[in-house]
Amino acid sequence: ETGVTQSPTHLIKTRGQQVTLRCSSQSGHNTVSWYQQALGQGPQFIFQYYREEENGRGNFPPRFSGLQFPNYSSELNVNALELDDSALYLCASSSGGTSTGELFFGEGSRLTVL
Amino acid sequence: AQSVTQLGSHVSVSEGALVLLRCNYSSSVPPYLFWYVQYPNQGLQLLLKYTSAATLVKGINGFEAEFKKSETSFHLTKPSAHMSDAAEYFCAVSGKDNFNKFYFGSGTKLNVKP
Repeated sequence: ETGVTQSPTHLIKTRGQQVTLRCSSQSGHNTVSWYQQALGQGPQFIFQYYREEENGRGNFPPRFSGLQFPNYSSELNVNALELDDSALYLCASSSGGTSTGELFFGEGSRLTVL
Repeated sequence: AQSVTQLGSHVSVSEGALVLLRCNYSSSVPPYLFWYVQYPNQGLQLLLKYTSAATLVKGINGFEAEFKKSETSFHLTKPSAHMSDAAEYFCAVSGKDNFNKFYFGSGTKLNVKP
């Protein structure tokens, strides 16, 4: 069974640039959630995708967008990067769009914005 | 809105001592509650979860937590700390509007002294 994998693991961007982060969900999972974890804080919910549709969004501006593909992998895109976007971005997969189950997390993509 | 408060951003115990990490939640409906552990430069791993079955929940690595509705608490305990328990611990509650939307506390870093 393959776990949640994220790429890239680390990246550095400058203010104003755009970034795409990728996530492969765990085998059998059809739901992917993205979280932002700033230094010293807990993860904050960005959004969730279930069967290729956005299924819930946190308090993040529209420059944070995402996609889910037919194989349930997902992308997080952030446009017009700001310094405060520097964080660990965590992807989590789960099964079922509305049932509570365990979230399986990847190891994250650490983004630094200079 | 759902929220979680973790009292104590840093807790230090001696090896073999009791571990107690505190979590209080805010929820207008019976919540689902979780404890996750994060080791340095890694994603989050589920320790245990409460989903309205038994109020005393046993998890991995000897951890357990007790759901107390009257106190709106879900504290994490372990009778005897090991050096390998040193990590950051996050309490989380799932949202009533979207059971897969998790609200995390700000985390408690556990230090275990030899």
